[in-house]
Amino acid sequence: RKEVEQDPGPFNVPEGATVAFNCTYSNSASQSFFWYRQDCRKEPKLLMSVYSSGNEDGRFTAQLNRASQYISLLIRDSKLSDSATYLCVVNLNTDKLIFGTGTRLQVFP
Amino acid sequence: DTGVSQDPRHKITKRGQNVTFRCDPISEHNRLYWYRQTLGQGPEFLTYFQNEAQLEKSRLLSDRFSAERPKGSFSTLEIQRTEQGDSAMYLCASSARDRDSGNTIYFGEGSWLTVV
Repeated sequence: RKEVEQDPGPFNVPEGATVAFNCTYSNSASQSFFWYRQDCRKEPKLLMSVYSSGNEDGRFTAQLNRASQYISLLIRDSKLSDSATYLCVVNLNTDKLIFGTGTRLQVFP
Repeated sequence: DTGVSQDPRHKITKRGQNVTFRCDPISEHNRLYWYRQTLGQGPEFLTYFQNEAQLEKSRLLSDRFSAERPKGSFSTLEIQRTEQGDSAMYLCASSARDRDSGNTIYFGEGSWLTVV
């Protein structure tokens, strides 16, 4: 079983739609959680950290369920510029980031 | 530019040749990471350093791979006797654990390796 699992997609959604990505992780000792965004042939960039209480950054909302070992990302009012791959990332207490395979999002006009 | 820089950005090499990639982390970042990414996959952890000490190596890092960070600043990743399966993007990242940023990791733009 992979340490971090994501649906690879692609998710094809129209502009203005709301889309949600899910992710599960296998190691219950995981300490911190993130969503990274990666554009085609570019490096991953931090989108947002994920906190136990849930957190929001503009149109983006992240949730964490430690009991179920489940992380989610919600994007509201999708823009064309949101088209990218979204990587679910887990940090073990060794400071090593473990990445999922990523979920590809394509927003169309 | 004060971000993580990697060199070369692209490398095409013949099978069996050695290649070396260099990474210059963000100044004052004491942690430096190497990851490898192939198409359709997320980045896979290879190794990381805290200052000059190599603290962890993935089993993905075969004997043909060696990484160094001799003075705790820049790092090199060498691949000996390259194989076609080594074709990938090699990503370097750095971080500095502190109270404000926690352990946010910043990536360089990557070094693309093609083994022919």
